[in-house]
Amino acid sequence: GIQVEQSPPDLILQEGANSTLRCNFSDSVNNLQWFHQNPWGQLINLFYIPSGTKQNGRLSATTVATERYSLLYISSSQTTDSGVYFCAVGPGANSKLTFGKGITLSVRP
Amino acid sequence: GAVVSQHPSWVICKSGTSVKIECRSLDFQATTMFWYRQFPKQSLMLMATSNEGSKATYEQGVEKDKFLINHASLTLSTLTVTSAHPEDSSFYICSVPKATNEQFFGPGTRLTVL
Repeated sequence: GIQVEQSPPDLILQEGANSTLRCNFSDSVNNLQWFHQNPWGQLINLFYIPSGTKQNGRLSATTVATERYSLLYISSSQTTDSGVYFCAVGPGANSKLTFGKGITLSVRP
Repeated sequence: GAVVSQHPSWVICKSGTSVKIECRSLDFQATTMFWYRQFPKQSLMLMATSNEGSKATYEQGVEKDKFLINHASLTLSTLTVTSAHPEDSSFYICSVPKATNEQFFGPGTRLTVL
């Protein structure tokens, strides 16, 4: 099956700093999503981005499908950005998602 | 986005009892739903694919007789943990893929088996 690796596993930032989270995957995908898991466990959809670049406020994401990686950028980080960020990929339409192990982000005031 | 609900949000039960978890797609009809499980400090692992009108597809290592899945309608899938044991204690989350291929997740159900 598809392998998904996220890095770094843990990240500590000072409020206001920028960061880049990386997701590498081992095979071609038709679905790539970034999620933020809040303290109650809810997965918040950040981006659906099997290819290309998208931006939403302070967050942006880029997926280079031919090189099998995706990047999530967080600018001007805030304490509310703390939590676990997951990258998940799927091979086809309506297919199951394979999750990476997640990146734990702590933003300190 | 899509709205996905789960019920209950948390449940505590005694070992040996069965627990039913509901996943509802409130604004989208889904022929397929997915069930994931997440242990503390770990990632989400797919348990099974719930198919409306046919049997569920289970991932390797997931006991289909222990985790019963019924896709009763285009908006409802249920997961029943039969004869639950403490090792089944986990966070169970369902997801619904929309026509755009993007998946949306329910808020999860935290199961504790005493």
